[in-house]
Amino acid sequence: DIVMTQFPLSLPVTPGEPASISCRSSQSLLHRNGFTYLHWYLQKPGQSPQLLIYLGSNRASGVPDRFSGSGSGTDFTLRISRVEAEDTGVYYCMQTLQTPLTFGGGTKMEIK
Amino acid sequence: EVQLVESGGGLVQPGGSLKLSCTASGFIFSDSIVDWVRQASGKGLEWVGRIRRKADNFAPAYAPSVSGRFTISRDDSQNTAYLQMNSLKTEDTAMYYCTRRRIVPGLFDAFDIWGQGTMVTVSS
Repeated sequence: DIVMTQFPLSLPVTPGEPASISCRSSQSLLHRNGFTYLHWYLQKPGQSPQLLIYLGSNRASGVPDRFSGSGSGTDFTLRISRVEAEDTGVYYCMQTLQTPLTFGGGTKMEIK
Repeated sequence: EVQLVESGGGLVQPGGSLKLSCTASGFIFSDSIVDWVRQASGKGLEWVGRIRRKADNFAPAYAPSVSGRFTISRDDSQNTAYLQMNSLKTEDTAMYYCTRRRIVPGLFDAFDIWGQGTMVTVSS
């Protein structure tokens, strides 16, 4: 199984400041088709998860451009250029390269 | 409105069975791959399994923790997917979400629609 490791576990942030979350996979998520099967989700308090970034660096429809995803192979980063209060929640990375599909343990972002 | 709605959760004793439903609306369900994801209270997300489309022979796949106990099926005429859970254990207690995995080759591949979840509690 591919193990996904996220850090930090907790991230207190100040509104208007940047933030970043790291995700590492136990093996490369690059498929032979050239795509990287790494995605980012945000679960706001009391809600279902919502898609933020797909295939490593593509913002989902309706996601503000302050969110960006980068990385390759086994190391990935989610960046928020200027955090807003509504960004509070738990962020998860996930791989869909192979079954069983696996999630990172989550990073809880809280506003200071 | 594009949505998935889960139902069928509840309280069941260890060793018992429960069948969850996931009903879709607002999109072509038969073209969709459906996955189930669960989340124990205060814990992270865990993939449970998925079922592919008719064109892919409805191929299922399961997490090792549920393989042999859980079965995913679908009825495209009812726009509904099912999660049959047998031999339930206390550690299966969780919120169960169904989600659509949308794939557009070369362009998109992710879980883009999630239901609100249905709670399953396994306890004596």
